[in-house]
Amino acid sequence: GESVGLHLPTLSVQEGDNSIINCAYSNSASDYFIWYKQESGKGPQFIIDIRSNMDKRQGQRVTVLLNKTVKHLSLQIAATQPGDSAVYFCAERGQAGTALIFGKGTTLSVSS
Amino acid sequence: DVKVTQSSRYLVKRTGEKVFLECVQDMDHENMFWYRQDPGLGLRLIYFSYDVKMKEKGDIPEGYSVSREKKERFSLILESASTNQTSMYLCASSFVGVAYGYTFGSGTRLTVV
Repeated sequence: GESVGLHLPTLSVQEGDNSIINCAYSNSASDYFIWYKQESGKGPQFIIDIRSNMDKRQGQRVTVLLNKTVKHLSLQIAATQPGDSAVYFCAERGQAGTALIFGKGTTLSVSS
Repeated sequence: DVKVTQSSRYLVKRTGEKVFLECVQDMDHENMFWYRQDPGLGLRLIYFSYDVKMKEKGDIPEGYSVSREKKERFSLILESASTNQTSMYLCASSFVGVAYGYTFGSGTRLTVV
C-alpha cells in the first residue's frame, strides 16, 4: 500500500504569500526524501531533497522540514509567485536500492 | 543538457494492440523506472531496472512488461492494450545509491480506444 501521502489535494495562495505543503509518510525506515514540482504538460522536476539525519534544508526560496517523530515532511515556498503554480509531490525511499514511493500530490494555485 | 527522452508525447491505440513506449537517457544512469500517473492516484510504479537485462516488478505490473537491452534504453510494453491503461506514462532514471533523485522524461499520454 501507499506509504506517502499529502494532507491537502489543493492549496490556493496569493502572490507574495508563503506557501506550506505538507506530506505524511508511514515508513519509519525511510532515510531519504525528495520534493518534486510538476508543471502542466511536463514531467516532475526535482526541487529539493533531505536525508533523514537532517531536520531542515534550505534552497532558493524553498525549505524542506523533516519531523521524524511524527513522520511528517513539509515544503515551504517563500514569496510565492505565479510560476510556482504546479502539482507538488513528496517522495520517500524506504531503503537503499528500492524505488521512490510518491504521494498523490498537492496542486498549488497562485493568484495575482 | 542531460535528459530523459520519451519517444512520443501523445499516443492513441486500439484495444488489443501491442504498444511499445520507449525511453532513452543520456546520463549513464544505472537505474530506470516506469510510472503511470492518474488523477487522484499520483505516481504508481510499474517496473524498474537496476542494470541491463535486469527488471523488477513495481506496484502495478499486471498487463505490462519491460525490456532493457542497453543501459540507456528502457522500454515499456503493453502486451494487449486495454482502456484501463489509458494514462500518462512517465519514465525516470537515476544513479545507484540512497541519495539520488530521479530525472523524469516529459511523459507519454496514452489513450486506448
